[in-house]
Amino acid sequence: QKEVEQNSGPLSVPEGAIASLNCTYSDRVSQSFFWYRQYSGKSPELIMSIYSNGDKEDGRFTAQLNKASQYVSLLIRDSQPSDSATYLCAVNRATALIFGKGTTLSVSS
Amino acid sequence: EAQVTQNPRYLITVTGKKLTVTCSQNMNHEYMSWYRQDPGLGLRQIYYSMNVEVTDKGDVPEGYKVSRKEKRNFPLILESPSPNQTSLYFCASSARGTDYNEQFFGPGTRLTVL
Repeated sequence: QKEVEQNSGPLSVPEGAIASLNCTYSDRVSQSFFWYRQYSGKSPELIMSIYSNGDKEDGRFTAQLNKASQYVSLLIRDSQPSDSATYLCAVNRATALIFGKGTTLSVSS
Repeated sequence: EAQVTQNPRYLITVTGKKLTVTCSQNMNHEYMSWYRQDPGLGLRQIYYSMNVEVTDKGDVPEGYKVSRKEKRNFPLILESPSPNQTSLYFCASSARGTDYNEQFFGPGTRLTVL
């Protein structure tokens, strides 16, 4: 089983819709979870961090964590074409962040 | 401005020619790390450093060296580059470790080894 798994996509949504991105992880002791956005050829940019079960909202973004199910998600409300990018889920493991391979999101206008 | 910088941003070299990619952060972060990103493989950690003079291997350390003589700098050294080290490299830093600490990435270095 891969440590951090994401659907590669592409996930296509129309402008203004809600985009839902999902991630599962295998290490039950992980305590810190992060979502990064990466545009092609650019560096990962931190969008959200979440450490406790439940929801965390920041503007149009909501991260959801369920440690019992080992599941992290990211909701993007009112999706914009500028949100089109690859979204990376990252999970803490001791001295490293373990990244999923990313989900490509395409928002059409 | 708080940032992580890397140089060079682009580098084309030949097999066996030693090179160094520099990384510097101005946030007084204790933790620094190097990743490589390859299509289909995602981001993988090469080396990390918990503080000055404290470094350790990540998941893919073969063919790389690092040093941490100063808190702000964490250079990545390829003593004898090979074509399989062609990749996009990122340096990252966080205040203390990776648990409960957000990690910030540099702009990346695209390396091609011929």
